[in-house]
Amino acid sequence: NAGVTQTPKFQVLKTGQSMTLQCAQDMNHNSMYWYRQDPGMGLRLIYYSASEGTTDKGEVPNGYNVSRLNKREFSLRLESAAPSQTSVYFCASSDNRRGTGGGGANVLTFGAGSRLTVL
Amino acid sequence: AQSVTQPDIHITVSEGASLELRCNYSYGATPYLFWYVQSPGQGLQLLLKYFSGDTLVQGIKGFEAEFKRSQSSFNLRKPSVHWSDAAEYFCAVGAAYSSASKIIFGSGTRLSIRP
Repeated sequence: NAGVTQTPKFQVLKTGQSMTLQCAQDMNHNSMYWYRQDPGMGLRLIYYSASEGTTDKGEVPNGYNVSRLNKREFSLRLESAAPSQTSVYFCASSDNRRGTGGGGANVLTFGAGSRLTVL
Repeated sequence: AQSVTQPDIHITVSEGASLELRCNYSYGATPYLFWYVQSPGQGLQLLLKYFSGDTLVQGIKGFEAEFKRSQSSFNLRKPSVHWSDAAEYFCAVGAAYSSASKIIFGSGTRLSIRP
């Protein structure tokens, strides 16, 4: 049981290049999230997907797009990378299905992170 | 809008001393509250969560937190810290069970342990 898998782990881009961060979970979770982590800023929510077929903006969505490809996969795309997007990106998932109850809802399982540097 | 404030950026305590990390939240409805820990170079691990019921919740590694609705606070405590507790701690808030929940984090508190 791999949990949440992110690829790549490291990436260096030049300003203006595009790239996609991939995320997959094998826990049958319905909700998935993308965060970025910067020193002193904590984790900031970029986009989330409450369920397959839906996506919503988080706190810092500008410059990013997402795709919920299927229940397992949620990708984050930078169309034209900027130095301000240098960060560590975390994907997470949670089980928020109706009937799950309060015990597991909103509890996030995180991937290991992807460190992105934009020069 | 949801928000989480962790007023202490960095705290240093002596090994064996007690610890309290502060967290204040702003949320218009019933919140779900969480504390996560991130050890150096690692991912994030859930320490504990509050959904409802008893306002004092126990977590892993000897941590506990108390939900105080009147103060909009969810402070994390440990009676006696160990060197291995050195890490960054994040408080988070989400919607009480919802199928479309945004989960917002605070800016974190870095904990250092003095030998």
